[in-house]
Amino acid sequence: GNSVTQMEGPVTLSEEAFLTINCTYTATGYPSLFWYVQYPGEGLQLLLKATKADDKGSNKGFEATYRKETTSFHLEKGSVQVSDSAVYFCALSDSLGANNLFFGTGTRLTVIP
Amino acid sequence: DTAVSQTPKYLVTQMGNDKSIKCEQNLGHDTMYWYKQDSKKFLKIMFSYNNKELIINETVPNRFSPKSPDKAHLNLHINSLELGDSAVYFCASRAGTETQYFGPGTRLLVL
Repeated sequence: GNSVTQMEGPVTLSEEAFLTINCTYTATGYPSLFWYVQYPGEGLQLLLKATKADDKGSNKGFEATYRKETTSFHLEKGSVQVSDSAVYFCALSDSLGANNLFFGTGTRLTVIP
Repeated sequence: DTAVSQTPKYLVTQMGNDKSIKCEQNLGHDTMYWYKQDSKKFLKIMFSYNNKELIINETVPNRFSPKSPDKAHLNLHINSLELGDSAVYFCASRAGTETQYFGPGTRLLVL
């Protein structure tokens, strides 16, 4: 079946620190992988995605590389800002049927000045 | 302007009531979804509709009934609300690109 295992939070970092949020997946077929972000009181926004092995998704300074050999899609940012404080969700979309999204449990990031 | 919109944004109601949440997308997408996010932020798919037809229904109680009057709308009707139904419900839509766009969520509180 399809599942996503995500690093548990919460994560608290100082501004300009390096961020890594781990994500590994189990899937049948060839899934696409996503990171969504949920800012306080808001809905989910797509942060970045990768549709095939070795693809790198990037946006707003965040990056994640689709690693098929380790079934991972870790999120990284070199220097976080207070405005990055949010909940981050790793997700996969199965390649069959309805292309439903399967989400990880979310990781809450708090960046302090 | 809003791509995926939901109404209401907040809903507070008593146990046993029946309520509906509406979702509309103006993106021309042909697939729409409902997700439930519990108090621990865990997100799970509830329903998926393609061209007004139900294509997946996860293990959701039959008190929940989605209705799609047309491709741009997917409403969620909930009968006999229970305390455990309190959650944030997100609507989403997708074209053939695999990227789903989410609405702002409806925060349901059952008292």
